[in-house]
Amino acid sequence: DQQVKQNSPSLSVQEGRISILNCDYTNSMFDYFLWYKKYPAEGPTFLISISSIKDKNEDGRFTVFLNKSAKHLSLHIVPSQPGDSAVYFCAASAVNYGQNFVFGPGTRLSVLP
Amino acid sequence: DVKVTQSSRYLVKRTGEKVFLECVQDMDHENMFWYRQDPGLGLRLIYFSYDVKMKEKGDIPEGYSVSREKKERFSLILESASTNQTSMYLCATGDYSKNIQYFGAGTRLSVL
Repeated sequence: DQQVKQNSPSLSVQEGRISILNCDYTNSMFDYFLWYKKYPAEGPTFLISISSIKDKNEDGRFTVFLNKSAKHLSLHIVPSQPGDSAVYFCAASAVNYGQNFVFGPGTRLSVLP
Repeated sequence: DVKVTQSSRYLVKRTGEKVFLECVQDMDHENMFWYRQDPGLGLRLIYFSYDVKMKEKGDIPEGYSVSREKKERFSLILESASTNQTSMYLCATGDYSKNIQYFGAGTRLSVL
């Protein structure tokens, strides 16, 4: 049973508009969350993270929102650019997991010019 | 910049062969990880290591083993490759202070 879910396998957005990628988790012990971006033929690269003591973290065009009661987080990209086209993985961790992350299945974002 | 180098980008092996996937990092990180990535399943943890000579099973260790003789090198071994081990294999190193993992470019393994 997947502990981290990304229910949209793919998403298409027009350039300049907002992209919203969603992630749900089932393990209430998770207290730290990350988003990774992956281009074809490359390894995933870290994008942004959030601790459970916060409900929002912002870094330039990227903002992550955390709703602990709903066990839901989302990544907002504003404005979206064609270079943002990639697969986005949500990951979660807990204090007693050490540095082990649990990854979701990924969402493929396509930003159309 | 953190560098995680995986020795091969593409490998083609036959069923039953012993396969070695090598990973080297240059950042003196204690933690290293091996994942496989499959469509619809995301990244699944095979093995990890928090120190030299130390190894722990991840979520899907069956059919794999690992070796960590030196801090900078973490090897994944497929003792007898099978077709269901055809996948993208990703090595990562962990920066404990930042709580981030850094990934290599991956090795796409095909077992025929």
